[in-house]
Amino acid sequence: DQQVKQNSPSLSVQEGRISILNCDYTNSMFDYFLWYKKYPAEGPTFLISISSIKDKNEDGRFTVFLNKSAKHLSLHIVPSQPGDSAVYFCAASGDYLVARNQGGKLIFGQGTELSVKP
Amino acid sequence: DTEVTQTPKHLVMGMTNKKSLKCEQHMGHRAMYWYKQKAKKPPELMFVYSYEKLSINESVPSRFSPECPNSSLLNLHLHALQPEDSALYLCASSQETGFTGVASYNEQFFGPGTRLTVL
Repeated sequence: DQQVKQNSPSLSVQEGRISILNCDYTNSMFDYFLWYKKYPAEGPTFLISISSIKDKNEDGRFTVFLNKSAKHLSLHIVPSQPGDSAVYFCAASGDYLVARNQGGKLIFGQGTELSVKP
Repeated sequence: DTEVTQTPKHLVMGMTNKKSLKCEQHMGHRAMYWYKQKAKKPPELMFVYSYEKLSINESVPSRFSPECPNSSLLNLHLHALQPEDSALYLCASSQETGFTGVASYNEQFFGPGTRLTVL
């Protein structure tokens, strides 16, 4: 059972436009969400996070929105740049995992490959 | 110093070899992790160490043996691997393993990985 889903395996966007990457989750007990960016043959790089007490977090060109009632989060990149082309993973964690002695466990989505064309 | 380093970058080994992967961080993090990643898949958690004690083993076969000699170092000892174990092995660290609901203690910072090929 996949608890974190990224339904779009790929996304293509023109340089300068907005990129919107989506992520859905099924477990309402998740309370912390993260986005990672990954280039081929490199480790994932932490981008931005949001806790469930917020509905928006912004860092430069990157904004993450959380809709708890819909169990949905999205990452907006504005403006998109060719260097943003990478695979983006969303991940979730929660206090309930700590209670189950699974503290530190991140549940990752399958990733969305973003291609930003010049 | 805000990075996680891993050595070697690439490793090719036979099924009868014994080798080790190394990971180091100097951010004062007390949690360290090993992940395995296959192409076009998300990272798959293998082990979690918290305060140098193994806290999670995700039912990993015994041919993978983790070791945490001190709070900055994490090793993964490999023995009698199979070709299907070929993957990118990622190390990560975070301040803590638990989420307090206040700060982002569970932000995991990843190393560049070791690309392992088992022949």
